[in-house]
Amino acid sequence: GDSVTQMEGPVTLSEEACLTINCTYTATGYPSLFWYVQYPGEGLQLLLKATKADDKGSNKGFEATYRKETTSFHLEKGSVQVSDSAVYFCALSDAGGSYIPTFGRGTSLIVHP
Amino acid sequence: GAGVSQSPSNKVTEKGKDVELRCDPISGHTALYWYRQSLGQGLEFLIYFQGNSAPDKSGLPSDRFSAERTGGSVSTLTIQRTQQEDSAVYLCASSLVGRGDYEQYFGPGTRLTVT
Repeated sequence: GDSVTQMEGPVTLSEEACLTINCTYTATGYPSLFWYVQYPGEGLQLLLKATKADDKGSNKGFEATYRKETTSFHLEKGSVQVSDSAVYFCALSDAGGSYIPTFGRGTSLIVHP
Repeated sequence: GAGVSQSPSNKVTEKGKDVELRCDPISGHTALYWYRQSLGQGLEFLIYFQGNSAPDKSGLPSDRFSAERTGGSVSTLTIQRTQQEDSAVYLCASSLVGRGDYEQYFGPGTRLTVT
């Protein structure tokens, strides 16, 4: 079945540092890929998505590129802020029919001033 | 506009009691999902509703768990005879259509503590 693997957290960075959170996936078809973010005390919200190979999703300074050859969708940001502290979830869905997305276990990001 | 709302935000209950958790999805969204999020774990799928179709209950962990969705809108997740391992955050999400590649909109969750 489909699966998503994310790097273990927490990731601890100083403000303005570069961020990369690794995400790799296993899927039988051509899934859509997502990054969701969960701020403390809130539900998840969509951060960005990509629906086909080589697409780049971007939002709020975050980017991720759909790499079919490496089955990866790493999340990157050039300069993090304290307000980026949250838990980040990588997810995939089989656009061909499955209505239940598969989520990774989440990676906690802590940004210090 | 209004997002997905859940109530209560926190629930503390004694082992063996029944609890009901409520979800109000975004108006017009035909798909509704329930997930469980335990400490340090990812999202565990519980149940999925799509329009008037029979729900997909394949993620429910035991027969103590049940859910219904009335009128294609509000949903209630019921846990009977609660156990300590049921302690978790229960998240509800809705989506415009029942396809996994559509964005899901999540509520803030209900934190359930079973003592």
